[in-house]
Amino acid sequence: AQSVTQLDSHVSVSEGTPVLLRCNYSSSYSPSLFWYVQHPNKGLQLLLKYTSAATLVKGINGFEAEFKKSETSFHLTKPSAHMSDAAEYFCALDTGRRALTFGSGTRLQVQP
Amino acid sequence: GAVVSQHPSRVICKSGTSVKIECRSLDFQATTMFWYRQFPKKSLMLMATSNEGSKATYEQGVEKDKFLINHASLTLSTLTVTSAHPEDSSFYICSARERGRALETQYFGPGTRLLVL
Repeated sequence: AQSVTQLDSHVSVSEGTPVLLRCNYSSSYSPSLFWYVQHPNKGLQLLLKYTSAATLVKGINGFEAEFKKSETSFHLTKPSAHMSDAAEYFCALDTGRRALTFGSGTRLQVQP
Repeated sequence: GAVVSQHPSRVICKSGTSVKIECRSLDFQATTMFWYRQFPKKSLMLMATSNEGSKATYEQGVEKDKFLINHASLTLSTLTVTSAHPEDSSFYICSARERGRALETQYFGPGTRLLVL
């Protein structure tokens, strides 16, 4: 069975400091992994994806994530947080059925 | 970019009534639409997959007679919660996959919050 675990339900950082949102996965085959961001009253927006190419994936808005098979992780990082990064972030896994399995989400708060 | 809309954004209804939620792809054709349900502080749970012109495929544990899905055109899918009960209160999110595009081009609607009294 496939599953996604987001280790932190809430992360708070100061503006200008690094961001780390953690995601671990379980999959019986080579996964495709995604990070989405959801701002209030908005749809989910794709930040980046891993589909078995380069293990370090760069996304929009300065975010990147590294696929580590040995650790079954796909953590999302950003060197310097901006106030506009405050949102809910979801890690997701491709189940091979054209739909996605989502983690429970991490709410990122950015303090001025 | 591609936009998916949902209507209504919020709905409050009495127990026993039916509620219809619309999901529209505004500027592209969606051959496949997905319906998810999200509980507070929980994951998005896939309810069903609908393909235009065919019956929806429901996930295990989702009652097809309770959650009626119709994907009548390439730009519209509807979810009807029949005889709603308080336990059906939730956040419902749809997504649409553009015809001919890969999975990562799945676009999400803003969600519909349903409260059943």
